[in-house]
Amino acid sequence: AQSVAQPEDQVNVAEGNPLTVKCTYSVSGNPYLFWYVQYPNRGLQFLLKYITGDNLVKGSYGFEAEFNKSQTSFHLKKPSALVSDSALYFCAVSLLSGGYQKVTFGTGTKLQVIP
Amino acid sequence: DAGVTQSPTHLIKTRGQHVTLRCSPISGHKSVSWYQQVLGQGPQFIFQYYEKEERGRGNFPDRFSARQFPNYSSELNVNALLLGDSALYLCASTLWGVSGANVLTFGAGSRLTVL
Repeated sequence: AQSVAQPEDQVNVAEGNPLTVKCTYSVSGNPYLFWYVQYPNRGLQFLLKYITGDNLVKGSYGFEAEFNKSQTSFHLKKPSALVSDSALYFCAVSLLSGGYQKVTFGTGTKLQVIP
Repeated sequence: DAGVTQSPTHLIKTRGQHVTLRCSPISGHKSVSWYQQVLGQGPQFIFQYYEKEERGRGNFPDRFSARQFPNYSSELNVNALLLGDSALYLCASTLWGVSGANVLTFGAGSRLTVL
């Protein structure tokens, strides 16, 4: 079984400050890890993914994520938050399982950037 | 270029009724997946179709069914609706064949309310 935990329902950060959204996972084998963002009344949009190689992954809109295999974590980070970053963020783990792409999402973390 | 399009965007049904949701993938994308997102939760995998064949099914009852057409569009059908089926139903398409590393491109979703 695979699972994803996002321990914080909400993260508040002041505009211009660095932000971190936490994610840990549990899976058998070597997973692919993703971050998606969801704006109100919209579908999810891809931010970045980790497949293999460098543990620091850079993605869209200045976001990056650090893969830590020993801690089974994949935290999302950004050096300087913008008000427009306020949204719902989902971490996901993906495996090819039984002939299909099995994707498990976390419960989401609401990011609120305060002006 | 058009993204993933879903219809209808909103609909209201009563318990026991049937609903059909439709999805058109990005041109050239041959795989379509369906997800259910209950308010306050992450998306839950329902089905994945690739080249018109069901490749995977999540933990949903037989009331849920889907199909993919020769033009790669897809329908999700839910029979005997329950109050608990109220959710945002998301369709996602992927360009490549079935792989754990595929990026999901989501539509805006169909919001179903069951009264």
